[in-house]
Amino acid sequence: KAGVTQTPRYLIKTRGQQVTLSCSPISGHRSVSWYQQTPGQGLQFLFEYFSETQRNKGNFPGRFSGRQFSNSRSEMNVSTLELGDSALYLCASREGGSTDTQYFGPGTRLTVL
Amino acid sequence: QQQVKQSPQSLIVQKGGISIINCAYENTAFDYFPWYQQFPGKGPALLIAIRPDVSEKKEGRFTISFNKSAKQFSLHIMDSQPGDSATYFCAATGTSGSRLTFGEGTQLTVNP
Repeated sequence: KAGVTQTPRYLIKTRGQQVTLSCSPISGHRSVSWYQQTPGQGLQFLFEYFSETQRNKGNFPGRFSGRQFSNSRSEMNVSTLELGDSALYLCASREGGSTDTQYFGPGTRLTVL
Repeated sequence: QQQVKQSPQSLIVQKGGISIINCAYENTAFDYFPWYQQFPGKGPALLIAIRPDVSEKKEGRFTISFNKSAKQFSLHIMDSQPGDSATYFCAATGTSGSRLTFGEGTQLTVNP
C-alpha cells in the first residue's frame, strides 16, 4: 500500500495570509490526525478526523481548522498566519478501529515570513 | 498530567554499543506506548510499541522495557549502527488511540 502523502511539501507564506495543507491517508484508513512539529514545542497534536467528523482536538487557537472528505482525505487550514506558525505539519493516518498505530506522512514545511 | 518526559536530549554512542533512551509519564490512562524514529526531512516512523500488560518487548535490535508502577519506559538499541543515527521520540496515548503525546525527542548519533 502507498503510504501517507502530504502536499505541498514546502510552503512559504507571509503574515496574515491563510494556508491549506492536504493529506491523503493510507488506503483503508479512516482516521487522520494532524500534528505540528517545532524545535521549541516538539510534536503537538492538533486534531483528529474520523469519518468526516472531528473526534479530538488539541490546544490550538481557532485559526487552526480542518476537515475530512468522504474518501478520508483531509485538509488543514490555518488562517491569519503568524510567524510562530512556521513549523513542520505532519499528518498521520490509522485504521481507526482497534489498531492504534499511527503512520505519519513526510510533512509539509511551512515558513511564515 | 498529559506530559511525557524524555531523556537524554542527545546521545552519542560508538558503533556496536547500546543506546538507552528513557521516558516517564504521568497519566495513568495511557495504555499504548510507541517509539518513533525520525530522520531529517522525513516524518516519524513507528519503530516498536508496547502495552502495559507486558514488561518487555523485543524486535530485532530494539527492546522496550516497561515499568508500570514507576510509570517509566525505555528504548534499548543493541549493537547500535551509524544508520541508527536519528531522532527518537517516545509517545503515549489512551484508549482512543488518536491523540499521541510525545516526549521531547532524543538525537542519537552513532559514531563509526
